Amino acid sequence: QQQVKQSPQSLIVQKGGISIINCAYENTAFDYFPWYQQFPGKGPALLIAIRPDVSEKKEGRFTISFNKSAKQFSLHIMDSQPGDSATYFCAANSWGKFQFGAGTQVVVTP
Amino acid sequence: DVKVTQSSRYLVKRTGEKVFLECVQDMDHENMFWYRQDPGLGLRLIYFSYDVKMKEKGDIPEGYSVSREKKERFSLILESASTNQTSMYLCASSPYIPGGSPSYEQYFGPGTRLTVT
Repeated sequence: QQQVKQSPQSLIVQKGGISIINCAYENTAFDYFPWYQQFPGKGPALLIAIRPDVSEKKEGRFTISFNKSAKQFSLHIMDSQPGDSATYFCAANSWGKFQFGAGTQVVVTP
Repeated sequence: DVKVTQSSRYLVKRTGEKVFLECVQDMDHENMFWYRQDPGLGLRLIYFSYDVKMKEKGDIPEGYSVSREKKERFSLILESASTNQTSMYLCASSPYIPGGSPSYEQYFGPGTRLTVT
């Protein structure tokens, strides 16, 4: 049973559009919420992360929105580019032990 | 530059064989992890280690064991490989931050795609 539920499974967005991926969790002991980006043939790499005392974090075109009361967080990719085509994983951490979402495959069409 | 390497990118083994997957990190990290990645299931933690000779079970340890004799090396062992262990295996490491709270950023290797026939 996955402790972090991620949706959608896949996403197709046009170049310049906004990609939105959502995650939900139950365990209130989680205290760190990263997003990982994975290209084919590579291991996941940390993209952006947030702690629950902050409602939003922005780094370039990537923004995490965090809703502590709803136990939900989301990744927004603004002005999506073909180079953003990858699989994205959300995760939640408690004392160094991660639980990952199932992943979202994002395809950005030219 | 941070680097986690895994001994093989692709591996094909027969049912019942003993399989060793090796992971080496050059960042002097205390924490090391083994995950398996399956479509629709994301990454699931098999085992992790906070220090040399220390290990803890993750969420799916059955059928696996690990060894950490040196700080930089963490091995995953499939005692008797089975077809349901066909998967992508990912190793990761992270540093320990003094103050009692483990560091949260993990660095991943490129993965080993294991096929058990």
